[in-house]
Amino acid sequence: SAVISQKPSRDICQRGTSLTIQCQVDSQVTMMFWYRQQPGQSLTLIATANQGSEATYESGFVIDKFPISRPNLTFSTLTVSNMSPEDSSIYLCSASLAGVETQYFGPGTRLLVL
Amino acid sequence: GQQVMQIPQYQHVQEGEDFTTYCNSSTTLSNIQWYKQRPGGHPVFLIQLVKSGEVKKQKRLTFQFGEAKKNSSLHITATQTTDVGTDFCAGRSGGSNYKLTFGKGTLLTVNP
Repeated sequence: SAVISQKPSRDICQRGTSLTIQCQVDSQVTMMFWYRQQPGQSLTLIATANQGSEATYESGFVIDKFPISRPNLTFSTLTVSNMSPEDSSIYLCSASLAGVETQYFGPGTRLLVL
Repeated sequence: GQQVMQIPQYQHVQEGEDFTTYCNSSTTLSNIQWYKQRPGGHPVFLIQLVKSGEVKKQKRLTFQFGEAKKNSSLHITATQTTDVGTDFCAGRSGGSNYKLTFGKGTLLTVNP
């Protein structure tokens, strides 16, 4: 299994600013993902974080708004840029181990944009 | 794109009653996974089903994968208050990107 930590756990931000969320995994994983979850809603995949290369974004999500980095096998960041109240959500990092298709989720970052 | 539909969206039961949530995919899946998210928590992996018609059990939980590998169900026998939370199915199509498509989830509440 993998243990995932995220920082910050929550934040309140002003519109127009940016927030970077960090995700750290305790083991070397192959795949890392970023999801968004509105309260009481399902998980929407934002992108797959690729080590050493540009992330693969899902429809409706773009790099300028959600730049992602993954400098090594155990760490990734998601930046929510030029925030608006519509970006208020829970952002979850997840990871899969080599040869294992299940995903382990971090505790999430609760973001409120005023 | 792939869509995974899940019903019901909400279910309220009396403790001791059974509960079932159903999941249906618009495309054939290579596997389906189930996750549990307790109130205030994050999704936690429960099980993965791979084979057509597969049935797996975990104590009071029974998971099924349809013959056509497009639908699945989770059945909880004799619910307990500890079962509250949202159960999500997540389907994976063929390919090597390990991407999951989550259903909307079923929020289960249990009245003691």
